[in-house]
Amino acid sequence: QTVVTQEPSFSVSPGGTVTLTCGLSSGSVSTSYYPTWYQQTPGQAPRTLIYSTNIRSSGVPDRFSGSILGNKAALTITGAQADDESDYYCMLYMTSGLWVFGGGTKLTVL
Amino acid sequence: EVQLVESGGGLVQPGGSLKLSCAASGFTFSGSPMHWVRQASGKGLEWVGRIRTKINSYATAYAASVKGRFTISRDDPKNTTYLQMNSLKTEDTAVYYCTRRSPDSAYGNFDYWGQGTLVTVSS
Repeated sequence: QTVVTQEPSFSVSPGGTVTLTCGLSSGSVSTSYYPTWYQQTPGQAPRTLIYSTNIRSSGVPDRFSGSILGNKAALTITGAQADDESDYYCMLYMTSGLWVFGGGTKLTVL
Repeated sequence: EVQLVESGGGLVQPGGSLKLSCAASGFTFSGSPMHWVRQASGKGLEWVGRIRTKINSYATAYAASVKGRFTISRDDPKNTTYLQMNSLKTEDTAVYYCTRRSPDSAYGNFDYWGQGTLVTVSS
């Protein structure tokens, strides 16, 4: 069974840039997996940031961007702010016709 | 305003059953594929399954971890989707969210989520 991989944790300084990635335990992530990125704060439902690799969801600041970097999907936050401190999840649409979430990345801004 | 409101969660013994409901409002429910996602305490998100619309024969799909035990259905006139959970295991303990797949993306972007309902499987 293919696993979707994410960094368990990441740290960024306020104003800095960070790139979170989303890979596969076997194979490469491409646009055909329609990567979606969600942000979740404790006790809240997830919020869509990016879908279909690089389309920003309505109301999401343009400092959030999505791309494919090498064999992974990537979420880049440019000019990180304190309230970006959250859990970030990628979700892929698999060739089986099912969806799979990555394990999530806990982002700390300090 | 789009709203999704889950209900039906609670405490159930291993091997038992529970049926969750998700009442939708503020959008054309009958035209929207609906999904269920769960999250164990302190853990990540897990996609559970989905149901398509009438035009797509209400087709369902499930994660391997719940296939054969969980069933998703919908009642379009009532704007409600359901998650019937049978043969529950302790590892099914989680907050269960219903979510709508946005019409903007056929393969992702769950744009609206309920507040979640807690299911606890324990003896």
